[in-house]
This record gives sequence, C-alpha cells and structure tokens, in this order.
Amino acid sequence: NAGVTQTPKFQVLKTGQSMTLQCAQDMNHEYMSWYRQDPGMGLRLIHYSVGAGITDQGEVPNGYNVSRSTTEDFPLRLLSAAPSQTSVYFCASRQRDSWWDTQYFGPGTRLTVL
Amino acid sequence: DAKTTQPNSMESNEEEPVHLPCNHSTISGTDYIHWYRQLPSQGPEYVIHGLTSNVNNRMASLAIAEDRKSSTLILHRATLRDAAVYYCIPGSTLGRLYFGRGTQLTVWP
Repeated sequence: NAGVTQTPKFQVLKTGQSMTLQCAQDMNHEYMSWYRQDPGMGLRLIHYSVGAGITDQGEVPNGYNVSRSTTEDFPLRLLSAAPSQTSVYFCASRQRDSWWDTQYFGPGTRLTVL
Repeated sequence: DAKTTQPNSMESNEEEPVHLPCNHSTISGTDYIHWYRQLPSQGPEYVIHGLTSNVNNRMASLAIAEDRKSSTLILHRATLRDAAVYYCIPGSTLGRLYFGRGTQLTVWP
C-alpha cells in the first residue's frame, strides 16, 4: 500500500490565484481530513469527511472547499489564495470516524502565497 | 474538548529512558488518550493510545493516572530517531483529532 499520498510537495501561488491540493489513500478508509500547520504550531483541522459524499468543517474552514466523490480521494481547494494561507498542509485518513482507529498522515504540501 | 498541558521541550541522552508528561484534567470518562509524534519535515505518526489501563507497544508505553487527569508517554531507550514533537491528544467529539503545540524532544548522542 502507498498509504496517504499528497501532491504537489511544494507550491508557490500569487495572491488571488486558486489551486487544488490533491490527497489520495489506498487503504479503503472512510474518514479523511485536512490539516494545516503554521511554523512552530500544532496542526489545525480544516475540513473532514466521514465517507463519500459527506464533508464537514473543522476549526479553520474559511477560504477552503472540499468534496469527496470517491472513497480514495479528498481534494482541498483554495478559492482565492491569501498570504495567511501560507502553511504546510497535511491530509490524513483513518478506517472509521472512531477514537480507537489510528490516523495515517501524508507527507504534506508546503504552500507559499506571495 | 479536553485541554492539554505539555512541556514545550525536553531533552534526553541516547539510550536513556524518557518520560513525557501530559495533563488533561478536563478529560471525560469515555475519551481515549492518543499520542502522536512528528519527525522533522514529516507528517505526524501514531505512537500509542489508551483509555484507562497502562498500554505497551513496540514503540512506547503509556501510563495513565488512576483519575485519568494525566498520562505519561515512556520511551524506554531513546534513540536519535526519537527526536520529534510529541502530541498528547485526549478524546474529542466524534473522533476529531485536535493537536496542541506538543513537546519538542531533543535526543543527544
């Protein structure tokens, strides 16, 4: 299994541009989520999904959209990039939306917005 | 969500045991306690979790206080590869994982 994969690894955007961060998992996990990590900080939950067709907001959802059309993929869209969205983005998945399941993280996408 | 308090940083020498403390005084009775760690430039990885009893796995041990208001992650013999940020994450609503700033562990050779 490849686990959780994210593309791209690095991205530079100009203010106002849009882009999609890709996330895929091959473990048939129901639950997927997106986090952002700012320098020296812990991870903050952006959006999550408990299954195909179901998404919900986390702590910091503003400026981001998500959709879940398949079990495998959970893309994160930045509608109009802002410098405040400069961060490292991590995608994660777990078997179910339950506490005793281990969460697996991708390697991250480092995004810079100029 | 339960609040956590962890030291900002800790240091250890290689091959010595390390005890990483976490206070979670507002934890509810059904909340699991999870520990994750984040190696430099990587995504977090699972370490261990428990509910009431002490737990062991190949990576670490988790000691949970009887009143569950605190827990300690124990690395029995620290290696250089264990240098990471360690996050203590008590249970939350419907399985969301909320990360604090964690404890930066430095391991000296």
